[in-house]
Amino acid sequence: ILNVEQSPQSLHVQEGDSTNFTCSFPSSNFYALHWYRWETAKSPEALFVMTLNGDEKKKGRISATLNTKEGYSYLYIKGSQPEDSATYLCAFSNSGYALNFGKGTSLLVTP
Amino acid sequence: DAGITQSPRHKVTETGTPVTLRCHQTENHRYMYWYRQDPGHGLRLIHYSYGVKDTDKGEVSDGYSVSRSKTEDFLLTLESATSSQTSVYFCAISESAPTSGRNQETQYFGPGTRLLVL
Repeated sequence: ILNVEQSPQSLHVQEGDSTNFTCSFPSSNFYALHWYRWETAKSPEALFVMTLNGDEKKKGRISATLNTKEGYSYLYIKGSQPEDSATYLCAFSNSGYALNFGKGTSLLVTP
Repeated sequence: DAGITQSPRHKVTETGTPVTLRCHQTENHRYMYWYRQDPGHGLRLIHYSYGVKDTDKGEVSDGYSVSRSKTEDFLLTLESATSSQTSVYFCAISESAPTSGRNQETQYFGPGTRLLVL
């Protein structure tokens, strides 16, 4: 069992604020880091898969960076909107077939 | 959306009864996974499959068994349900293994099954 830590556990921001959260993972034997967005009553939806140190991915107002040497990834949301409210999960793989998920960061964006 | 369905979507059962959950995919993906989601624990892997008749245990496999007799179906069975197995169960599929380092390893999730064991 690999320890994937996400912080903060929850976050409440105002519409228009930019925000970021962190995913920490073991830096040894790294293969890939995934980010998922999970809205209440829906299924997790894939945002990014990152594999190389220094990777940066962007999808609309959401972007992510990866540092495999120190074992962390940041997810950024620029100009948060109420529809960004969701739980953001990161998941790490180092070997085998399993993804190890963090517990997520719950984001609430209020108008 | 990836073609993944789960059945049933909701189930209430009694302790000690057997329960089978079904995951069906139309994407012809090789890899299939069963997770459970509980408050404070996030998603935890129960079992996974890397091909027809090829399965292996995940982090929380005790009390569960799986079968995959054809590519499109992955069954999760609780042989004798217990209250601790009350949870939301998600099936996921991926084209490649998580170690492939390619976008094909993205996992696509089904809609989930809510199971209540009384």
